[in-house]
Amino acid sequence: ETGVTQSPTHLIKTRGQQVTLRCSSQSGHNTVSWYQQALGQGPQFIFQYYREEENGRGNFPPRFSGLQFPNYSSELNVNALELDDSALYLCASSPTITGNGANVLTFGAGSRLTVL
Amino acid sequence: AQRVTQPEKLLSVFKGAPVELKCNYSYSGSPELFWYVQYSRQRLQLLLRHISRESIKGFTADLNKGETSFHLKKPFAQEEDSAMYYCALRSSGGGNKLTFGTGTQLKVEL
Repeated sequence: ETGVTQSPTHLIKTRGQQVTLRCSSQSGHNTVSWYQQALGQGPQFIFQYYREEENGRGNFPPRFSGLQFPNYSSELNVNALELDDSALYLCASSPTITGNGANVLTFGAGSRLTVL
Repeated sequence: AQRVTQPEKLLSVFKGAPVELKCNYSYSGSPELFWYVQYSRQRLQLLLRHISRESIKGFTADLNKGETSFHLKKPFAQEEDSAMYYCALRSSGGGNKLTFGTGTQLKVEL
């Protein structure tokens, strides 16, 4: 059973650029959620995907967007990068979106984004 | 809006001493509360959740709705407990949306 894998692990971008982060969910998990963790803060919910559609969104602007593919993997895209977007981006998958299984999140190691 | 507060950024205890990591929340409905832990160079992982009412690695946490708290406790700290601990809340019908606190770094000294 493989866990959640994320790529790239580290990347550096400049303001105004666009970035795509990738996530492969754990085997058997059909729901993926993304979190942003700024330095010294707890993870903050961005959005979640279920059946290839966004299903719930946190307080993030539209320039944060995502995709989920038929194999349940997912991408997070951020356009027009700002300095404050510098953070660790965590992907988490779970077996389902409702019920007790939704409580069980398996996190990836994260992608650390630095915006200069 | 829901909020999770962890008042201590750092908690330092000696090995064998009791541990209590504080967590308070604000939420108008019926929340589900969790504790997540991140050991050095490891991923964030679930430690325990209130609906299970279980003890994991000697840790317990009781949901107190009157005080809106979900403090994490362990009677005797061990060196391997040193880690970052996050309290998190899931609202009813919230799917995988968790609201996390800012975390408490637990350091167990010999």
